[in-house]
Amino acid sequence: GAGVSQTPSNKVTEKGKYVELRCDPISGHTALYWYRQSLGQGPEFLIYFQGTGAADDSGLPNDRFFAVRPEGSVSTLKIQRTERGDSAVYLCASSLTRATNEKLFFGSGTQLSVL
Amino acid sequence: GESVGLHLPTLSVQEGDNSIINCAYSNSASDYFIWYKQESGKGPQFIIDIRSNMDKRQGQRVTVLLNKTVKHLSLQIAATQPGDSAVYFCAENAGGTSYGKLTFGQGTILTVHP
Repeated sequence: GAGVSQTPSNKVTEKGKYVELRCDPISGHTALYWYRQSLGQGPEFLIYFQGTGAADDSGLPNDRFFAVRPEGSVSTLKIQRTERGDSAVYLCASSLTRATNEKLFFGSGTQLSVL
Repeated sequence: GESVGLHLPTLSVQEGDNSIINCAYSNSASDYFIWYKQESGKGPQFIIDIRSNMDKRQGQRVTVLLNKTVKHLSLQIAATQPGDSAVYFCAENAGGTSYGKLTFGQGTILTVHP
């Protein structure tokens, strides 16, 4: 079966623009996560969905960042008024359940470049 | 050891050697630890995990050791192969959360020479 799919794989935008990043989790996985990875760093937690609801959005840097998962499957990360500092790889992960020791399966990420 | 910014720790080994990658974690309340492998252009891939009530766990060619006293985690790879070349991250699940909210270390670059 397919793994976690993220589109686009690369996104180049200009400062101040709006972008949407899409994540298709593994079918049947109820938990979905967004992480952000800057160059030379480990991934950093942004937000966690259990089903349709954002159960923990404590990692979102500010109110320019927003994510949705309206039907409990596909998720979209939305960034308004992009800044150069938003440039990073945005990773999505899913897991079968929300359990602490449930394996997270990561997608290949979207490389966002803000010029 | 840990580095800042772009200067990731590096480990260079010959094919067939054993590799040991180390990680210091920060939160004494963490109760679950994972090692991930990340190849260029890909997301992190699960290698092995360990719960805080264990001090050693073995997988296929990999062993994770946990020393809670000094908050240290290590990954041992036996008979390292060129395909093992990647960046390796340790991650901890902070105690108190009942889901996969992970804190990742900065990573170690492993290069395996044929």
